[in-house]
Amino acid sequence: AQSVAQPEDQVNVAEGNPLTVKCTYSVSGNPYLFWYVQYPNRGLQFLLKYITGDNLVKGSYGFEAEFNKSQTSFHLKKPSALVSDSALYFCAVRDPFYNQGGKLIFGQGTELSVKP
Amino acid sequence: NAGVTQTPKFQVLKTGQSMTLQCAQDMNHNSMYWYRQDPGMGLRLIYYSASEGTTDKGEVPNGYNVSRLNKREFSLRLESAAPSQTSVYFCASRLPGTNTGELFFGEGSRLTVL
Repeated sequence: AQSVAQPEDQVNVAEGNPLTVKCTYSVSGNPYLFWYVQYPNRGLQFLLKYITGDNLVKGSYGFEAEFNKSQTSFHLKKPSALVSDSALYFCAVRDPFYNQGGKLIFGQGTELSVKP
Repeated sequence: NAGVTQTPKFQVLKTGQSMTLQCAQDMNHNSMYWYRQDPGMGLRLIYYSASEGTTDKGEVPNGYNVSRLNKREFSLRLESAAPSQTSVYFCASRLPGTNTGELFFGEGSRLTVL
């Protein structure tokens, strides 16, 4: 079965330090991977995606993610965290079974807390 | 540009009552989706509509019905609400032309069933 796992419910980082939010996936065929961010009482916002090409993908707000096929991972990173980065982060993979619908399978989310 | 608009934002229902969540997008997207978000479970797909005139079940369709009224609007109906349907519901739409396009989400509808 297709799945996405975010092994950490919460990540705590000091402002200015690098951050990593982990994601691993299991999907048949080529993975199409996404990261979304959700601020309190808001909808999800797209950050970045990996479809093909360079393993390092750059996205919004200074975030980037590294695709690692051998480890089936797609970790989200940022070199220097900001307090305003505090939010809930979701990793997602396109479900190849729903080819016409572009359906996404989401991880359970990781709460990022950046302290001053 | 409003994007994806959901109404109502909040609703409290009693068990057995019915209601419809409305969703409209102004981005001329073909595909639309309804997800529910529950703590520790991420987002789970309820129903989706790949294009106007078509709808399909997602992972958790039981207890829900949908209508793709036109290209802009995709509604979700709870015929007889149950406490297990207490959740935050998100409508989303996707860029046309590719299955790799990202989703655009509404602000969510917070539903409590007593």
